[in-house]
Amino acid sequence: NAGVTQTPKFQVLKTGQSMTLQCAQDMNHEYMSWYRQDPGMGLRLIHYSVGAGITDQGEVPNGYNVSRSTTEDFPLRLLSAAPSQTSVYFCASSYRSTGPSGNTIYFGEGSWLTVV
Amino acid sequence: GNSVTQMEGPVTLSEEAFLTINCTYTATGYPSLFWYVQYPGEGLQLLLKATKADDKGSNKGFEATYRKETTSFHLEKGSVQVSDSAVYFCALSDLKTGGSYIPTFGRGTSLIVHP
Repeated sequence: NAGVTQTPKFQVLKTGQSMTLQCAQDMNHEYMSWYRQDPGMGLRLIHYSVGAGITDQGEVPNGYNVSRSTTEDFPLRLLSAAPSQTSVYFCASSYRSTGPSGNTIYFGEGSWLTVV
Repeated sequence: GNSVTQMEGPVTLSEEAFLTINCTYTATGYPSLFWYVQYPGEGLQLLLKATKADDKGSNKGFEATYRKETTSFHLEKGSVQVSDSAVYFCALSDLKTGGSYIPTFGRGTSLIVHP
């Protein structure tokens, strides 16, 4: 029962490099999202998706790209890394339901990214 | 739009003290409300939730009641332990408007419990 799987867990990048944070869920959830967590800022939404082929911007989308070609996968791409993107990144998924478990958000374990 | 406001931390308590972490929200519809907990170096875990007014969510000795009249979802625990030291996030997910169901989070409240 994998849930939400994020890779890598730790990464160091040089300024200007690009990379992709992977996120996969095996719960057939419609909704997936990426957050970054910075000290004193809580969780800020980067991008989200309400289904395969559909993505939208969150609160802090600049410098990041996403795509959702399948229900399971929602990768986050850093196009040209900057020190301001040093953060902890969390992927999350959820589904629409009016039942007791409805709308519970499931998180990955996080990816610690440092840009030098 | 939706928003969640939590009390700022850190909250520092001695073991066995009573805990309250305040959370108020603004939403256009009828949201579900959640508390998540993040232990050091880990991701977020669901602690408890409530899906309608007057519901009480509870887990591991923590409780929170969905108060629609005051738009609040305060987290309480009668006797905290050192192992409760973590960051606590209040969140909402709006059911009514049929929107994205992408949740809105508060900024988190750090709890430190001393022996």
